[in-house]
Amino acid sequence: EPEVTQTPSHQVTQMGQEVILRCVPISNHLYFYWYRQILGQKVEFLVSFYNNEISEKSEIFDDQFSVERPDGSNFTLKIRSTKLEDSAMYFCASSEALPGANTGELFFGEGSRLTVL
Amino acid sequence: AQSVTQLDSHVSVSEGTPVLLRCNYSSSYSPSLFWYVQHPNKGLQLLLKYTSAATLVKGINGFEAEFKKSETSFHLTKPSAHMSDAAEYFCVVSGNSNYQLIWGAGTKLIIKP
Repeated sequence: EPEVTQTPSHQVTQMGQEVILRCVPISNHLYFYWYRQILGQKVEFLVSFYNNEISEKSEIFDDQFSVERPDGSNFTLKIRSTKLEDSAMYFCASSEALPGANTGELFFGEGSRLTVL
Repeated sequence: AQSVTQLDSHVSVSEGTPVLLRCNYSSSYSPSLFWYVQHPNKGLQLLLKYTSAATLVKGINGFEAEFKKSETSFHLTKPSAHMSDAAEYFCVVSGNSNYQLIWGAGTKLIIKP
């Protein structure tokens, strides 16, 4: 069964360092997303990506964040200068269609836990 | 704005007894609604979804949910709990845009032997 894979599963970094989280979405999917969950809090939308550009982003997704699909298979989230409050589980997801559509199910990876010290 | 309230942070049931996980939503238009499940150290998996077709939605693993517009509810049920159902369950509503999902805080389901 096709799945979304994320690397690394856990990353520890120092405040101010750059971090890149990687995701390989399901191959025939067109829509890609990043969500995050700070420990003990709700899952929050960060960004969606379609047709090689950001289709929507939340207030959380400020200038410190960027996404890229460099080679047609990987989908990356970069945090330029990490802050303590960036510590969270980051989930990548992909879908064949928009979430409300019949084939719009989001498939999630197992997450990348980021710890900023 | 859209929002989701999961009324219980933890629900504990005995194996073989019914499960009820409660969810209320707020939306300014007809939303799409979803239940996702997260087993320990696993990703988020879709259990079922409502997208304006039948109000009673059947999902995987024997779960179902009923969309009740008058009560703005989308409660998740299962007739008989199994030990493997122990997980965290999230009620989710589609956001203002087509792309975004709004998540509830989650309900941890505990199954007692």
